[in-house]
Amino acid sequence: EDQVTQSPEALRLQEGESSSLNCSYTVSGLRGLFWYRQDPGKGPEFLFTLYSAGEEKEKERLKATLTKKESFLHITAPKPEDSATYLCAVQAGAGGTSYGKLTFGQGTILTVHP
Amino acid sequence: GAVVSQHPSWVICKSGTSVKIECRSLDFQATTMFWYRQFPKKSLMLMATSNEGSKATYEQGVEKDKFLINHASLTLSTLTVTSAHPEDSSFYICSAVGTSGHRTQYFGPGTRLTVL
Repeated sequence: EDQVTQSPEALRLQEGESSSLNCSYTVSGLRGLFWYRQDPGKGPEFLFTLYSAGEEKEKERLKATLTKKESFLHITAPKPEDSATYLCAVQAGAGGTSYGKLTFGQGTILTVHP
Repeated sequence: GAVVSQHPSWVICKSGTSVKIECRSLDFQATTMFWYRQFPKKSLMLMATSNEGSKATYEQGVEKDKFLINHASLTLSTLTVTSAHPEDSSFYICSAVGTSGHRTQYFGPGTRLTVL
């Protein structure tokens, strides 16, 4: 069974204090690892897709990395507006389908204080 | 690009009535849409996978007759909660995957359902 574990459950940072969120996974054939941001009362907002170990992607203050067992979301010099729940999800399994179900972690609640 | 909308954004209904939620992909065609349910401070729980022109595939434990899904076109899927009860109150979110082969799911803004 595919499993995704995110840590920590909650993270409080001061503005400008860089840190990392962790996503550990076990899947039978990773097809993609996804990071989303979710604000309260809203749907998840897509951030990154990573497909293979060693891949890195960046967007503004965020950088996502991937190994064979885990992914990190690095936040550099965060601002209060980066406060949100960050969700990690994996898409697994072989096959010729052009879509795939996602298995989500429980999320990390990030709070950035000014 | 990759915008998904949901309507309504919130709905309050009486116990025993049915409620329909629409999910639309606004700027792309979606062969597959997914319906999720999210409880407070919890992660997303997949309810069903909806493919255009075919029957939806429901996850284990999800009642097919209570949560009716119709994916009538490449841009529209609907979720109907039949004979709603207070325990059906939740945040329902849809997502869509495009036809290009890119596997990213793009999510709608969600619908808050409250059953009195």
